[in-house]
Amino acid sequence: NAGVMQNPRHLVRRRGQEARLRCSPMKGHSHVYWYRQLPEEGLKFMVYLQKENIIDESGMPKERFSAEFPKEGPSILRIQQVVRGDSAAYFCASSPYSGMAEAFFGQGTRLTVV
Amino acid sequence: AQTVTQSQPEMSVQEAETVTLSCTYDTSESDYYLFWYKQPPSRQMILVIRQEAYKQQNATENRFSVNFQKAAKSFSLKISDSQLGDAAMYFCAYRSGGGSNYKLTFGKGTLLTVNP
Repeated sequence: NAGVMQNPRHLVRRRGQEARLRCSPMKGHSHVYWYRQLPEEGLKFMVYLQKENIIDESGMPKERFSAEFPKEGPSILRIQQVVRGDSAAYFCASSPYSGMAEAFFGQGTRLTVV
Repeated sequence: AQTVTQSQPEMSVQEAETVTLSCTYDTSESDYYLFWYKQPPSRQMILVIRQEAYKQQNATENRFSVNFQKAAKSFSLKISDSQLGDAAMYFCAYRSGGGSNYKLTFGKGTLLTVNP
């Protein structure tokens, strides 16, 4: 059973471009969580999704950020018109049911905005 | 809102020795969980140990054990017989047992160096 797969591992974008980060949960997991890790910081919750539903996006910046988890395919975190402050590591976790007790993290995507 | 504080930005230990990493938290809830995660240079977040607040017994996983002091809101991690592979960033995290049981609140981390 493959773990949580995130791609790309590293992503470089120029200011103003769009960034798309992908997360394939573990097999049988229908709950996905996105976290962001700024430099010198711990991870901070962004959004919780189930298949085709956003359950809680209270940690997402109100503008430029969006997330989806379609019926088929990976979960996508999309950042439009990136700025330097978006440079961070973005982690995805998945679980078979709600709650982080049994959640597994991916290796993260490091986004660098130049 | 819950907060998690790790007061030691960096720690070092000699191989085979024991080291303790500190964590304190603030919450008004009675039902919650506490975690220690390890983040090696690969960036992978690896769950080291978990403690349920309702359990008085301290959790143990092989060389890793915790000292959970509920009244003091303290949750330290003890690593015995330290190995070179233990070198990593360690994060303490809190999770509510109630409605928002899917959100982890992390501390800022402690960078552990293991000296041969």
